[in-house]
Amino acid sequence: AQSVTQPDIHITVSEGASLELRCNYSYGATPYLFWYVQSPGQGLQLLLKYFSGDTLVQGIKGFEAEFKRSQSSFNLRKPSVHWSDAAEYFCAVARYSSASKIIFGSGTRLSIRP
Amino acid sequence: DAGVIQSPRHEVTEMGQEVTLRCKPISGHNSLFWYRQTMMRGLELLIYFNNNVPIDDSGMPEDRFSAKMPNASFSTLKIQPSEPRDSAVYFCASSLALSAMNTEAFFGQGTRLTVV
Repeated sequence: AQSVTQPDIHITVSEGASLELRCNYSYGATPYLFWYVQSPGQGLQLLLKYFSGDTLVQGIKGFEAEFKRSQSSFNLRKPSVHWSDAAEYFCAVARYSSASKIIFGSGTRLSIRP
Repeated sequence: DAGVIQSPRHEVTEMGQEVTLRCKPISGHNSLFWYRQTMMRGLELLIYFNNNVPIDDSGMPEDRFSAKMPNASFSTLKIQPSEPRDSAVYFCASSLALSAMNTEAFFGQGTRLTVV
């Protein structure tokens, strides 16, 4: 069965500092991987996704993620965070089919220190 | 398109009452998901449909929960009877999984349910 682990429940970084949020997945085949962001009181918004090809994926808002098959990881990065990046971040995995089941990790809450 | 539309945005009900949450997916999307989000359990997939047919309901917590999708543009999640531990934010999402490039879920803004 597919699963996603986000080992960090809460991370605090200073504004302007770099960021890396960790995500590990468990799946028997090449997964489809996603990062979503949830602002308070809102639904989830897609930041980026990986299906195949280049293992470094660029997303919106200056985020990127790198797929590392050997480590079963799909970590999210941003070189310089802004106060508006404070939110909850979710990693998700799916298997492509006509009826894909998308499973989410438990989330990492990001706080920004002024 | 207006995106995934959920109603109501907030619901407060007394224990034992029936609660119905509604979702209108994005037009043309063929998959619909119901998720529940709580502090303790995070974002849980309750059930998902493909072409209006329930594919996997293994995440539905118990028989008090039921979901229907009578047509491609409407789905309901019903809790009867409701209990305080059902208090959570319930999200509906839809996707168009016809190719790899389409396999992403678009979320509604959620229904915050409080059972007192």
